[in-house]
Amino acid sequence: AQSVAQPEDQVNVAEGNPLTVKCTYSVSGNPYLFWYVQYPNRGLQFLLKYITGDNLVKGSYGFEAEFNKSQTSFHLKKPSALVSDSALYFCAVSGEGTYKYIFGTGTRLKVLA
Amino acid sequence: DVKVTQSSRYLVKRTGEKVFLECVQDMDHENMFWYRQDPGLGLRLIYFSYDVKMKEKGDIPEGYSVSREKKERFSLILESASTNQTSMYLCASGGSGNTIYFGEGSWLTVV
Repeated sequence: AQSVAQPEDQVNVAEGNPLTVKCTYSVSGNPYLFWYVQYPNRGLQFLLKYITGDNLVKGSYGFEAEFNKSQTSFHLKKPSALVSDSALYFCAVSGEGTYKYIFGTGTRLKVLA
Repeated sequence: DVKVTQSSRYLVKRTGEKVFLECVQDMDHENMFWYRQDPGLGLRLIYFSYDVKMKEKGDIPEGYSVSREKKERFSLILESASTNQTSMYLCASGGSGNTIYFGEGSWLTVV
């Protein structure tokens, strides 16, 4: 069965510092991995995805994520955090050839000025 | 840009009422989804549809039904609303292995 874990409910980081939001997954076969961001009272916005190829994926708003097959992880990173990055972040996984996406429980990122 | 439109952003309904949540997408996607989002539980899949008139149950289908008569429209129906269905409902569209795109969400309060 597919599953996604986001081990941290909340991550606090100072503005200008690098940030990491963690995600681990379990899926049969090759995983399709996604990160989404949600601002208050809004839907989820797509940030980036990994399907195949380079393990470092670059996405919107300066975010990137690293796919690590041996650790079954797909951590979201940004070199320098902004206060405006404060939001709820969701990791999601889809198995190859399936239509179902499984989402993690979300990590609230707080960037402190 | 992909647009997924949920026509109702905020609804208040009474227990026992029938509730319709409508979702329209403009990208000719085969797949459409309904999720519900609750604090601490993340997003849970209610139903999804991979073609017109086709549907499959997700993880929490009880108390819900869906309708997909046209490719661009996917409706979520609460036959008899209950207070434990108070939640944020998110519609999405996309394809297998591809990005799924979300609407802005519908906040439903059942009193």
